[in-house]
Formats: sequence, C-alpha cells, structure tokens
Amino acid sequence: AQSVTQLGSHVSVSEGALVLLRCNYSSSVPPYLFWYVQYPNQGLQLLLKYTTGATLVKGINGFEAEFKKSETSFHLTKPSAHMSDAAEYFCAVMTGTSYGKLTFGQGTILTVHP
Amino acid sequence: DTAVSQTPKYLVTQMGNDKSIKCEQNLGHDTMYWYKQDSKKFLKIMFSYNNKELIINETVPNRFSPKSPDKAHLNLHINSLELGDSAVYFCASSQNRDTRHSIVPQFFGSGTQLSVL
Repeated sequence: AQSVTQLGSHVSVSEGALVLLRCNYSSSVPPYLFWYVQYPNQGLQLLLKYTTGATLVKGINGFEAEFKKSETSFHLTKPSAHMSDAAEYFCAVMTGTSYGKLTFGQGTILTVHP
Repeated sequence: DTAVSQTPKYLVTQMGNDKSIKCEQNLGHDTMYWYKQDSKKFLKIMFSYNNKELIINETVPNRFSPKSPDKAHLNLHINSLELGDSAVYFCASSQNRDTRHSIVPQFFGSGTQLSVL
C-alpha cells in the first residue's frame, strides 16, 4: 500500500519568494507521483507528474518538482511566488500495479502576501 | 466554461433515502472518476470509467452505483443512505493514453458535499 504525507498544512510566503511545498511518500514499488492544485472555488487540476525518466519535472505556471528516491520525497518548488499561486496543493502517489488509483495527501494551503 | 461540473454542490438528506449526483465533462476526455474525500481530507478513488466501461471499482458498498450514459457523463447513485456516507464527493476526468500511468485524473469538479442526517 502507498501513502503520502505533506509536511505543513499551511505555508505562507511573500510575493517573489521561493515556494517550497514538501511531500514524502511511502510505496513498496516504484511510484508515480503527482501534484495537483486547487484554486478557490474550483476543482483540482493536475500541475505536474513524475512517471519515469528525468527526476526533475516541470509543470504549469513555473512549478517544478524533483523525485528523490533516496529521500522518498517529491517536493514542489517555484523560484518566485506570485499572488495568483495562492491555492491548496495536493501531492498524490500511484503505483504501476494500481493504475488510476491515486492516493492523495491531506493538502497544503499556500498563502502569498504582498 | 467549466471543464468538469457536478451537481448539486450541496446535498442534505435523511438516512435511508436514495440520491444521485451528476457529473459532466466538456473536455472530450475518455475517462471519468469518482472520488470520496473523508473527514481527514484524504481523497480515495471509488470508481473509474473509460469510454463507458467500468475499469476501477474499489471496495465500495453495493449501495453505490455509477452510471455512465455516455463518455461525457458519469453519475453516482447512492441507495439507502447512511450517516457514514456524509463526505465530499468529487468527479474527475482525463484523456486516455496507451500507457497505464497516463490514466490519472487531470481535472476535478468542485465537489458535492453530502450530509446525511
């Protein structure tokens, strides 16, 4: 069975500062990893995904995440936060033996202040 | 335009009733899903349909039955509602690809908050 832990339910940054949202996973087989974003009053939207190949993946809106197997982590970063990045972010894991079955973390609310 | 829309947004009902939640996507996607969000905010998959065919059916009580009249719609019917069914239910969709790891939801609806009294 796989699981996901997002460290910090709330993260607050200043506009222009680095965004770092932490995600650690647990999986007995090689995982596929995902980040989703939920803007206010909207549904979740896929931000980026890691399946195989390059461990640094880029997503929409300047976000990227790096898969580190040794640390079982998949942290989400953005060099410079924008006010429009304020949203809730969810990390998720899926394994090759259970395709389509995503296990989500509990979410991290990102606040960006001027 | 809303990519994935589900109705109603809020649903309050009595124990024992039968209710339905509707979901429609206008993205032309092949695959649709239903997820349940529990009190700890974890999302758990319930069902997935690809081109109207059931491909994922998690351990869900028989009282829950998905219905896909066409690939743009996936409705969720719940019979004999119980207190424990209270949760937020999310519909989602994705475009099918050849590889299994591509079958993950891309867009979710905004959720239906079900309260069983």
